[in-house]
Amino acid sequence: RKEVEQDPGPFNVPEGATVAFNCTYSNSASQSFFWYRQDCRKEPKLLMSVYSSGNEDGRFTAQLNRASQYISLLIRDSKLSDSATYLCVVNHGGSQGNLIFGKGTKLSVKP
Amino acid sequence: GAGVSQSPSNKVTEKGKDVELRCDPISGHTALYWYRQSLGQGLEFLIYFQGNSAPDKSGLPSDRFSAERTGGSVSTLTIQRTQQEDSAVYLCASSLAIPSGQFFGPGTRLTVL
Repeated sequence: RKEVEQDPGPFNVPEGATVAFNCTYSNSASQSFFWYRQDCRKEPKLLMSVYSSGNEDGRFTAQLNRASQYISLLIRDSKLSDSATYLCVVNHGGSQGNLIFGKGTKLSVKP
Repeated sequence: GAGVSQSPSNKVTEKGKDVELRCDPISGHTALYWYRQSLGQGLEFLIYFQGNSAPDKSGLPSDRFSAERTGGSVSTLTIQRTQQEDSAVYLCASSLAIPSGQFFGPGTRLTVL
């Protein structure tokens, strides 16, 4: 099983739609979780950290399910500017600073 | 404020040559990371530095790769005797502490001919 797995997509949705991505991780000792977005040929940008109790930032909601070892990202009221690849990031269980990046889920929001 | 900067932005070299890539982290960030990303692939962790602790080098793919961080700030990633499979974008990131979200530089695109 890969350390961090994501559905590569693409997810093609209309503006205003709600879309959700899941990500599974293999190491139960992992403690830190993040979502990043990466635009084509650009560097990744931190979107949000993921906390145990779940957290929200505007139109974005992140949740963590430790028992099933997955995290999710929900985007409400999609905008054209949300089109990007969303990267799930989990720390390697034995090393806080060794972050494992998923290969990403591609989102395309259409007018 | 200034973000993470990297130089050069592009580097073309011949197989067998050595290259040095530089990263200037955000001022005050104690942690610095190096990754590489091949075309269409995910990020591959290489190494990270945290304060004065010994770096975690577990991601370096071979002994041709090494990195230093001088004075707790600027870092240099060195690749000796470059091979074509080393061609990738090398990304540097920094964070205030570990664990916390990382801020990435624009990357250095390395092409080995």
